Amino acid sequence: GAGVSQSPSNKVTEKGKDVELRCDPISGHTALYWYRQSLGQGLEFLIYFQGNSAPDKSGLPSDRFSAERTGGSVSTLTIQRTQQEDSAVYLCASSPPGGGAETQYFGPGTRLLVL
Amino acid sequence: GQSLEQPSEVTAVEGAIVQINCTYQTSGFYGLSWYQQHDGGAPTFLSYNGLDGLEETGRFSSFLSRSDSYGYLLLQELQMKDSASYFCAVRKSWGKLQFGAGTQVVVTP
Repeated sequence: GAGVSQSPSNKVTEKGKDVELRCDPISGHTALYWYRQSLGQGLEFLIYFQGNSAPDKSGLPSDRFSAERTGGSVSTLTIQRTQQEDSAVYLCASSPPGGGAETQYFGPGTRLLVL
Repeated sequence: GQSLEQPSEVTAVEGAIVQINCTYQTSGFYGLSWYQQHDGGAPTFLSYNGLDGLEETGRFSSFLSRSDSYGYLLLQELQMKDSASYFCAVRKSWGKLQFGAGTQVVVTP
């Protein structure tokens, strides 16, 4: 079956523009997670969804970042008024019903460059 | 404070055994996960310890001691394809993983 997919794979934008990043989880997976990874660094937790609800959004860096999930499937991460420090790889992951955060299946990521 | 500590790099020859240690200090602890990430690739799940002790999955094993806030990943019979970054991650709540900075494993012929 298909894995987690993300689009676009690469995004170059100008400082101050808004961007939307999309994540399609594995079919049937109820939990969905967003992370950010800077070059050579570990993964920084942003937010997770259980169904369409986000029980923990504590990792969102500022109010410029928001995320939503519809139909218990696709999720969109929006960054408003992008800044150069937002440049990173944004990774999405999902996990199956009954599973917790320990076993996550990751997508290939969106590489965001803010000029 | 809250932190995970793991070595930044380990180098070993093919066929050798490598142990990557991970110590953590965190509020909220459900268990310890390990992920592998090749350059430019997505992280892939390797192992999870929810309880103390050793978990074995093929050439890889993982260990956890909750009382010592310590775990390790053991890579046996190293192969060139094992060259990658390895991350320990604390499961802090049902849905939240906190990742370490990663250990780059370099396997030489």
